[in-house]
Amino acid sequence: RKEVEQDPGPFNVPEGATVAFNCTYSNSASQSFFWYRQDCRKEPKLLMSVYSSGNEDGRFTAQLNRASQYISLLIRDSKLSDSATYLCVVNINTNAGKSTFGDGTTLTVKP
Amino acid sequence: DGGITQSPKYLFRKEGQNVTLSCEQNLNHDAMYWYRQDPGQGLRLIYYSQIVNDFQKGDIAEGYSVSREKKESFPLTVTSAQKNPTAFYLCASEDRGKPDTQYFGPGTRLTVL
Repeated sequence: RKEVEQDPGPFNVPEGATVAFNCTYSNSASQSFFWYRQDCRKEPKLLMSVYSSGNEDGRFTAQLNRASQYISLLIRDSKLSDSATYLCVVNINTNAGKSTFGDGTTLTVKP
Repeated sequence: DGGITQSPKYLFRKEGQNVTLSCEQNLNHDAMYWYRQDPGQGLRLIYYSQIVNDFQKGDIAEGYSVSREKKESFPLTVTSAQKNPTAFYLCASEDRGKPDTQYFGPGTRLTVL
């Protein structure tokens, strides 16, 4: 079993749709959590951190469920520009070298 | 502008040759990382360095080597011992005063012919 697992998709949704991605992690000692966005053949870029209380940034909402060991990303009112691969990242601790990346979920938003 | 640069963007090499990928940052970050990404997969850690003149192996260090002689630079050498080197290589840096947030360079796409 992988340490961080994501549904690879692809998710194909129309503009304006709401879409949610889940990510599960196996190490209960994990301390910090993130969503990164990666466009085709480009580097990943931090989309948002995920806090225990949940956090929202515009159309994006991230939530953490420590008891069930999963994090989620909700995108409301999808735009064409949201098309990308979304990577879930889990850190065991704040020491360098402990980031584990999921394989990513691919989203395509269509007109 | 502050950031991370990687060169070259595309690299082709013949089987059996060593090749060095460049990574430079002017963000004054202490920590630097090298990852490998294969199609449809996430990033896997090759090597990382938390401070100048020190580095640690990641999950897939075999066939790779690094050096960290300067804070700004963290070059990666892909040696002939790496059995399947064709991949997308990403360098990242992190501010230890603001941990966990990694900033990535644009990547080098290596193809072994």
